[in-house]
Amino acid sequence: AQRVTQPEKLLSVFKGAPVELKCNYSYSGSPELFWYVQYSRQRLQLLLRHISRESIKGFTADLNKGETSFHLKKPFAQEEDSAMYYCALVHGTALIFGKGTTLSVSS
Amino acid sequence: NAGVMQNPRHLVRRRGQEARLRCSPMKGHSHVYWYRQLPEEGLKFMVYLQKENIIDESGMPKERFSAEFPKEGPSILRIQQVVRGDSAAYFCASSGGRNTEAFFGQGTRLTVV
Repeated sequence: AQRVTQPEKLLSVFKGAPVELKCNYSYSGSPELFWYVQYSRQRLQLLLRHISRESIKGFTADLNKGETSFHLKKPFAQEEDSAMYYCALVHGTALIFGKGTTLSVSS
Repeated sequence: NAGVMQNPRHLVRRRGQEARLRCSPMKGHSHVYWYRQLPEEGLKFMVYLQKENIIDESGMPKERFSAEFPKEGPSILRIQQVVRGDSAAYFCASSGGRNTEAFFGQGTRLTVV
């Protein structure tokens, strides 16, 4: 069955520390994966997609088919990165979302 | 462009009443998706609609739930005879096509008392 797992409900780091938000997926076929972010009192928005191999706000994510992972990384966390992060997998006409990880960055 | 607009933002209904949630997609978008987020859970796909058509309703509960996206006006998610378990945040997203980026609304938080 198609599934997205984000094992951490909450990740707390200090400003300037490296961040890795974990995402594992289960999918038979070639996956298409995204990271969405929801800042406080704002709507969910696309952060990045694996196809484009881009870096947005210093975040990168690499698809590892061997480990079925799509972890989100940033070398130096900023306080404004504090938000809820969702990993999502395309399945047919819809997105399958993980349960989300709250990232809290403190000074 | 105001983005995807959902209303109301908060809705309280008593058990047995009907809940109507509205979603106005972004200008130019003709594809609408509805998701539900139960407490402590991720977003779960419910239904995908294009104007006047339901494309995929595989995530919709079999009873009491229905959705429409008429030629004119917003998409409506309708829940009849609400129960406490329907309490959740309901999110709508729209896109300009099946494989294009989807933009989300701010959600409607339904509370059934």
